[in-house]
Amino acid sequence: GENVGLHLPTLSVQEGDNSIINCAYSNSASDYFIWYKQESGKGPQFIIDIRSNMDKRQGQRVTVLLNKTVKHLSLQIAATQPGDSAVYFCAETWMDSSYKLIFGSGTRLLVRP
Amino acid sequence: NAGVTQTPKFQVLKTGQSMTLQCAQDMNHEYMSWYRQDPGMGLRLIHYSVGAGITDQGEVPNGYNVSRSTTEDFPLRLLSAAPSQTSVYFCASSKQGANKGYTFGSGTRLTVV
Repeated sequence: GENVGLHLPTLSVQEGDNSIINCAYSNSASDYFIWYKQESGKGPQFIIDIRSNMDKRQGQRVTVLLNKTVKHLSLQIAATQPGDSAVYFCAETWMDSSYKLIFGSGTRLLVRP
Repeated sequence: NAGVTQTPKFQVLKTGQSMTLQCAQDMNHEYMSWYRQDPGMGLRLIHYSVGAGITDQGEVPNGYNVSRSTTEDFPLRLLSAAPSQTSVYFCASSKQGANKGYTFGSGTRLTVV
């Protein structure tokens, strides 16, 4: 939504650079994690997911890293493009009750031309 | 497929009025959920459903009712609108056991004056 991100942390990167967005999750029992991208005026859009039995998963230009010891997720975007500008949320859930997503507060990514 | 369709996109209510936010999906998804998104915050779960005839409360259910009479539709009712319910509301759906997270609608921006 348009008001999303009024108080969000912001990451500003130069076009072409790599971006790293971090997220601390809350529940050590969570076993499934998802990164969402939200553009202004739109709903969240799935980017990539990872299960707790993995510590790294790669997609097209994106990589998610999971550190269960410190309950930390990161999203790495390679060669950041202007179209990557958005708010990014991590979400956690449990595979046997994946209808409940718990969202983090989000990070705004701004890509400088 | 239209995906997840929410109506209306915008709504202004007076305090005490009631209304229903509509949500429909055409993907034959078992799971459906309602979230609200406030400025500077992630999405918070209001109510969810794991199938027709089954609903349950999420994190912030007070002031809202839901029903799931069909697989396709999951309306959210505000019984007596309050200014604290001013927010952007998102409906989402997922296939049971899906590992791609939820598909979100484009949201309803609600203002209660």
